[in-house]
Amino acid sequence: ETGVTQSPTHLIKTRGQQVTLRCSSQSGHNTVSWYQQALGQGPQFIFQYYREEENGRGNFPPRFSGLQFPNYSSELNVNALELDDSALYLCASSLEMEADTQYFGPGTRLTVL
Amino acid sequence: EDQVTQSPEALRLQEGESSSLNCSYTVSGLRGLFWYRQDPGKGPEFLFTLYSAGEEKEKERLKATLTKKESFLHITAPKPEDSATYLCAVQTDSNYQLIWGAGTKLIIKP
Repeated sequence: ETGVTQSPTHLIKTRGQQVTLRCSSQSGHNTVSWYQQALGQGPQFIFQYYREEENGRGNFPPRFSGLQFPNYSSELNVNALELDDSALYLCASSLEMEADTQYFGPGTRLTVL
Repeated sequence: EDQVTQSPEALRLQEGESSSLNCSYTVSGLRGLFWYRQDPGKGPEFLFTLYSAGEEKEKERLKATLTKKESFLHITAPKPEDSATYLCAVQTDSNYQLIWGAGTKLIIKP
């Protein structure tokens, strides 16, 4: 167990809706990264938060946004859902921004119909 | 463009049959190369980090090696519980993002 939790486990939404996914990092880990993993693919980096500020972003549109809170929890928000947003969403926490080891949660499986 | 390619896509072995998985990379500057294991429906589990060519790391039946262009994950006398998807990722020296390969799905038959 990595100590990183995510909720919900599964989620079904329809196209155009909005969704919020949640992650609770290991205590003391001030960096959280979010990834999107399509079936049969490796994770794709969405963005990283360090001490509550966005610290890097992958090739994802602005309708993907996030928040990080002082209690080591974070959120991923996706607006105007599209069918291609269906994927496993993973969060990973690390002790510091440059830390080598990222500890992953179990993921949230999002299905967009 | 930074890129990571893993081969083969899938590998079926008999229990006890040793083999290797390959991760080749093209990056402007390598800060570290990571191996993770992922079981179905779960998040990736950290295995190894390698930093420089010639470096090797071992854990139970797994050994990871690194050259300037690729990394190998050697699995010796595998057991059915080693069945999983093995993911490789690189971190460049320009930022802290991980660039991932698509993974190798390893199936060990008893």
